[in-house]
Amino acid sequence: DVKVTQSSRYLVKRTGEKVFLECVQDMDHENMFWYRQDPGLGLRLIYFSYDVKMKEKGDIPEGYSVSREKKERFSLILESASTNQTSMYLCASSPVSDGNQPQHFGDGTRLSIL
Amino acid sequence: AQSVSQHNHHVILSEAASLELGCNYSYGGTVNLFWYVQYPGQHLQLLLKYFSGDPLVKGIKGFEAEFIKSKFSFNLRKPSVQWSDTAEYFCAVNAQSTGGFKTIFGAGTRLFVKA
Repeated sequence: DVKVTQSSRYLVKRTGEKVFLECVQDMDHENMFWYRQDPGLGLRLIYFSYDVKMKEKGDIPEGYSVSREKKERFSLILESASTNQTSMYLCASSPVSDGNQPQHFGDGTRLSIL
Repeated sequence: AQSVSQHNHHVILSEAASLELGCNYSYGGTVNLFWYVQYPGQHLQLLLKYFSGDPLVKGIKGFEAEFIKSKFSFNLRKPSVQWSDTAEYFCAVNAQSTGGFKTIFGAGTRLFVKA
């Protein structure tokens, strides 16, 4: 079974801090994704990566950056955390396909910025 | 622009009632459609998917969905819900993007089943 592991379930940080959210998958998937999940808004894509060192902006990349130095690891970075970045963050991975493969999700990190 | 619309944000049903959650998508290419479910405190998981063939697809736990191309719809159904179906349900479509595909999610529907 695919395992996507996010480093923290809950995280509390202060405004202006640099925040790192880590995600690791164990199925050699090429594609990895970061979403934020907010009530009534569903999942919104922040960044995704389809190969090591490759990254693409999603729908809401402002205030975030990502790093993919190894295939199994995809990090989300909040350069200077702000209160409007308080949210649930989900990491997902999927194999290369014709689009017919689902994504596999981690348990999420609930991030609070004070 | 690609988008996915889910008709209801909150649904409350009694056990044994029938369920239908609406989903419409806007995407001009070949569609790959998914329903994901997120049970309380758990991660999102795949409920069912459609990418070709029989437009009526069956998933886990008695769920099914019907792809109607002419209506751009992919509604989720279950004839008789259980209390354990209380969860949030997300419809999604895979859309072609740079380097592969990206998934566009609907806003989600929270289902509460009364025991």
